[in-house]
Amino acid sequence: AQSVTQLGSHVSVSEGALVLLRCNYSSSVPPYLFWYVQYPNQGLQLLLKYTTGATLVKGINGFEAEFKKSETSFHLTKPSAHMSDAAEYFCAVSDQGGADGLTFGKGTHLIIQP
Amino acid sequence: NAGVTQTPKFQVLKTGQSMTLQCAQDMNHEYMSWYRQDPGMGLRLIHYSVGAGITDQGEVPNGYNVSRSTTEDFPLRLLSAAPSQTSVYFCASSYSQGAYNEAFFGQGTRLTVV
Repeated sequence: AQSVTQLGSHVSVSEGALVLLRCNYSSSVPPYLFWYVQYPNQGLQLLLKYTTGATLVKGINGFEAEFKKSETSFHLTKPSAHMSDAAEYFCAVSDQGGADGLTFGKGTHLIIQP
Repeated sequence: NAGVTQTPKFQVLKTGQSMTLQCAQDMNHEYMSWYRQDPGMGLRLIHYSVGAGITDQGEVPNGYNVSRSTTEDFPLRLLSAAPSQTSVYFCASSYSQGAYNEAFFGQGTRLTVV
């Protein structure tokens, strides 16, 4: 069975600092990996996805993530945090590209300090 | 283009009542799914469908029924509401396996069972 672990339920960074949100997964087959963002009282919006090919994936709003098979990780980064990045971030995995639904991590709440 | 539409946005039920959460998508997506979001738990898959007439259980299916008579609609039925079903419910749809497997989420239904 798949599982996703997000280290840190809350992460606080200063505006302009590096954002690093950690995600580790377990999957019996090469996975499809996703990062979603949820703003307060909103649905989820896709930030980026890894399917096959390049291991460094660029997404929206300046975020990127690197797929490291040897470490079973898919950490999300952004070089310089902005106040508008404050939100809940979810890492998700699927063995079948999402057809059988996604397995989500428990989420990381990103706090941006002015 | 409306995307994924969920109704109602808010609902209060009494224990034992039944109701249907509606989900409709206008993107001609084959795959649809229902999740519940609880604090500190991330999103958990309730049921999913890979096409009209085909549904399957996810991680937390007990107390919920689904059917998929058309490509567009995927209603979620609560048979006899319980306080443990107090949650935020999200419907999602996606195109297919492979590269076009981004899941699009609705805005959610906040359900309280008293």
